[in-house]
Amino acid sequence: AQSVTQLGSHVSVSEGALVLLRCNYSSSVPPYLFWYVQYPNQGLQLLLKYTSAATLVKGINGFEAEFKKSETSFHLTKPSAHMSDAAEYFCAVSWMDSSYKLIFGSGTRLLVRP
Amino acid sequence: DADVTQTPRNRITKTGKRIMLECSQTKGHDRMYWYRQDPGLGLRLIYYSFDVKDINKGEISDGYSVSRQAQAKFSLSLESAIPNQTALYFCATSGDLGANVLTFGAGSRLTVL
Repeated sequence: AQSVTQLGSHVSVSEGALVLLRCNYSSSVPPYLFWYVQYPNQGLQLLLKYTSAATLVKGINGFEAEFKKSETSFHLTKPSAHMSDAAEYFCAVSWMDSSYKLIFGSGTRLLVRP
Repeated sequence: DADVTQTPRNRITKTGKRIMLECSQTKGHDRMYWYRQDPGLGLRLIYYSFDVKDINKGEISDGYSVSRQAQAKFSLSLESAIPNQTALYFCATSGDLGANVLTFGAGSRLTVL
């Protein structure tokens, strides 16, 4: 079955440190891939998406993600964390043969220490 | 005004009561979705609709029903609420392009006592 896995329900980094949030999918067919962010008491908003163009995708707020087909991964990174990055991050995937419905990972809460 | 508006934002109800969560959008999108968010489980799809005459079950539709009253309106009903339906519910919309980007509402927090 097609699925998406986020490793680590909580990630804590110091302000200024590298942010790395992990996402892996299970499918023999490369999907469309997304990262969404949820700030407290808000809905989800799109950070970035991969749609089979460049494998390194740049998003908003300095985030980027790299699609690696051989590793079935789409990890999210940011070189230097800011306090305002504290939020919950969701990886999501969709496939053409499932009518492009999004399947979400379980989420990773990013904590940024001063 | 928000692109996707959900009402109510918060609701506390009792077991056995009927509850309706409403969603309206100004994006002009044909596709609308209802998701449920639980801690540690991410978002799970309850129902989705690709146009006014199209309703489809998601992965957790038991205990829920929906109505697509118009292109812009998609409501979720709990006919007889139970405590394990306590959750944060999100409505979302998307266009028809393949790599769908969802636009989410702010969420409706439902507590069933």
